[in-house]
Amino acid sequence: DAGVTQSPTHLIKTRGQHVTLRCSPISGHKSVSWYQQVLGQGPQFIFQYYEKEERGRGNFPDRFSARQFPNYSSELNVNALLLGDSALYLCASSFRDRRARQPQHFGDGTRLSIL
Amino acid sequence: EDQVTQSPEALRLQEGESSSLNCSYTVSGLRGLFWYRQDPGKGPEFLFTLYSAGEEKEKERLKATLTKKESFLHITAPKPEDSATYLCAVQLISGSRLTFGEGTQLTVNP
Repeated sequence: DAGVTQSPTHLIKTRGQHVTLRCSPISGHKSVSWYQQVLGQGPQFIFQYYEKEERGRGNFPDRFSARQFPNYSSELNVNALLLGDSALYLCASSFRDRRARQPQHFGDGTRLSIL
Repeated sequence: EDQVTQSPEALRLQEGESSSLNCSYTVSGLRGLFWYRQDPGKGPEFLFTLYSAGEEKEKERLKATLTKKESFLHITAPKPEDSATYLCAVQLISGSRLTFGEGTQLTVNP
C-alpha cells in the first residue's frame, strides 16, 4: 500500500515568493496534519484538517494557510517567504481524528530552501 | 506550558551495547505518547503508541515503557542499522496535534 506522498521533494525559492506544497494521505485516511521541521529540531505542528475542516492551528503566522480537498489530499501554502521558512515540511495522515486513537503516519516531506 | 524533553541529545553505542533513551513530559491531559524513528532525509517512521502508565510495547530490539512523567525506549543489543534519530511526541486529550521533543540521535558502531 502506498504511504503518505508529498510533492515536490525539494524546492528552492527566494524571499517574498509564495509556495504550494501538496500531500496525498494513505488511502482511507481522512485526517491530514502539517508540520515544520527545522534542521536538528523536532517537528512543529502547523495545521490539522479532518473531513475538509480545519481542526487545529499551531503558532504560525497568517502567511501559512492550508486546505483539504474532497479526496482528502491537502495543500499547504506559504506567502511572502522568509529565510526562516527554510525547513522540511512534513505531512502526516491518520484514519480519523483524535477520538479514534490513531497514530499519525508521515511522508518524507518537502525540503524547502529560501535564498 | 506543555513540554517534551528528550535525553541524551546524542548517544554513541557499540554494536550489542544495550541502553535507554528518555522522554520526559509535562502536559495537561495526556492522551497518548508516540515514538518515531527518523532516518536522514526521511520522514518520521511510527514505532509505538503508549496510552497509560505501566504500559509496555515491544518490537524486535526495541521496548517502550511509560510512567506518569516519562517514557523510556530501551534498545537491546543494537545493530548499526538501528542508527537514526528517535523522536517522542505527546498527544493531548484536547486535540490531535503532536508535540515533539528535540530527538535523540543514536549511532551504533560495528
